[in-house]
Amino acid sequence: DQQVKQNSPSLSVQEGRISILNCDYTNSMFDYFLWYKKYPAEGPTFLISISSIKDKNEDGRFTVFLNKSAKHLSLHIVPSQPGDSAVYFCAASAINTGNQFYFGTGTSLTVIP
Amino acid sequence: NAGVTQTPKFQVLKTGQSMTLQCAQDMNHNSMYWYRQDPGMGLRLIYYSASEGTTDKGEVPNGYNVSRLNKREFSLRLESAAPSQTSVYFCASSPRDSLSYEQYFGPGTRLTVT
Repeated sequence: DQQVKQNSPSLSVQEGRISILNCDYTNSMFDYFLWYKKYPAEGPTFLISISSIKDKNEDGRFTVFLNKSAKHLSLHIVPSQPGDSAVYFCAASAINTGNQFYFGTGTSLTVIP
Repeated sequence: NAGVTQTPKFQVLKTGQSMTLQCAQDMNHNSMYWYRQDPGMGLRLIYYSASEGTTDKGEVPNGYNVSRLNKREFSLRLESAAPSQTSVYFCASSPRDSLSYEQYFGPGTRLTVT
């Protein structure tokens, strides 16, 4: 049973525009959320995180929004650049109750020059 | 500073053969993890080690064993490989302190079992 879901397998965006990647979760105990970026033949690299006490976290061009009532988070990339083309995974954990992180299936982002 | 290293990068096994995937980190992290990535499935946790000397099962532990040899090294063993274990395996580490929970991943091992 997939506890973290990314329902869009792929997304294409024009360079300079906003990319919005979405993630839904089912476990209300999750209190820490992360986004990772993955290029082919490489391991995932950490991008940005948010704890459940916040609803927004920004780091440069990347912003993560958390809607706890909807059990939904999103990653906004503004402006999108061709180097952002990669697979993006969201992950969730119940930090105080365990060590496991649960990953979504990923969204492949293509930024078109 | 190499981060997380994994060996080998590629491996082909016949059904029933055994092998050990090696992982090492030089960031003095407490926690280490083994994941597998399959098409359409995301990353699934096989085993993890919260600290040196402890290991716990993740989502998909069947057919695998692990050893946390010391703080730096965490190995994954397939005792009798099966085609269903064909996958890309990632090792990760994390400080897991109050300031930082993100995981740092190795480059992966692509395993094919025929």
